Amino acid sequence: DAGVIQSPRHEVTEMGQEVTLRCKPISGHDYLFWYRQTMMRGLELLIYFNNNVPIDDSGMPEDRFSAKMPNASFSTLKIQPSEPRDSAVYFCASYRQGNEKLFFGSGTQLSVL
Amino acid sequence: QKEVEQNSGPLSVPEGAIASLNCTYSDRGSQSFFWYRQYSGKSPELIMFIYSNGDKEDGRFTAQLNKASQYVSLLIRDSQPSDSATYLCAVTPSGSARQLTFGSGTQLTVLP
Repeated sequence: DAGVIQSPRHEVTEMGQEVTLRCKPISGHDYLFWYRQTMMRGLELLIYFNNNVPIDDSGMPEDRFSAKMPNASFSTLKIQPSEPRDSAVYFCASYRQGNEKLFFGSGTQLSVL
Repeated sequence: QKEVEQNSGPLSVPEGAIASLNCTYSDRGSQSFFWYRQYSGKSPELIMFIYSNGDKEDGRFTAQLNKASQYVSLLIRDSQPSDSATYLCAVTPSGSARQLTFGSGTQLTVLP
């Protein structure tokens, strides 16, 4: 099993640009989560999906952020327009109902200049 | 007010000693409690989870839960330099790993 796969590993962009982060969950997992980690705020849940349906997006900071899961094997997190305060590590994670282990991807280090 | 509190550390212990990591939480409805380990530059990985009051042991790790005091801890016996990492406490109101709220983590250094 390849685990949760995220791309890109690193993204450097300029303020105002659109950023798209990608995630492939582990096959068979029915929950997918997007987290953001910063030194100041720690690890924060942004949004999660169950069977491709968004369940709770209350952690999404503002309308500049959007997430989609068009199928069971792919999800995107988009920031448009990006701002320097969006700089963080964004993690995607997945798990299967009944198994308490949440599997994290390697993360995307985002730097907005 | 942060929902899950941890001492940020850094916490340093000598090799072979017991490391004690503590966590308090504010939501009395919390049902499930998790400890994750995160090495620098890496993603978090699950060490243990606990649901019931008392102790739960797994190898060198023991998780302790006291719901009345809203307190959960992780003990690492015979600490090794490879245990040096940030330890994240996480809680959830559900009976599963959904909607985890993480603490800010405690940085542990085990000195050889």
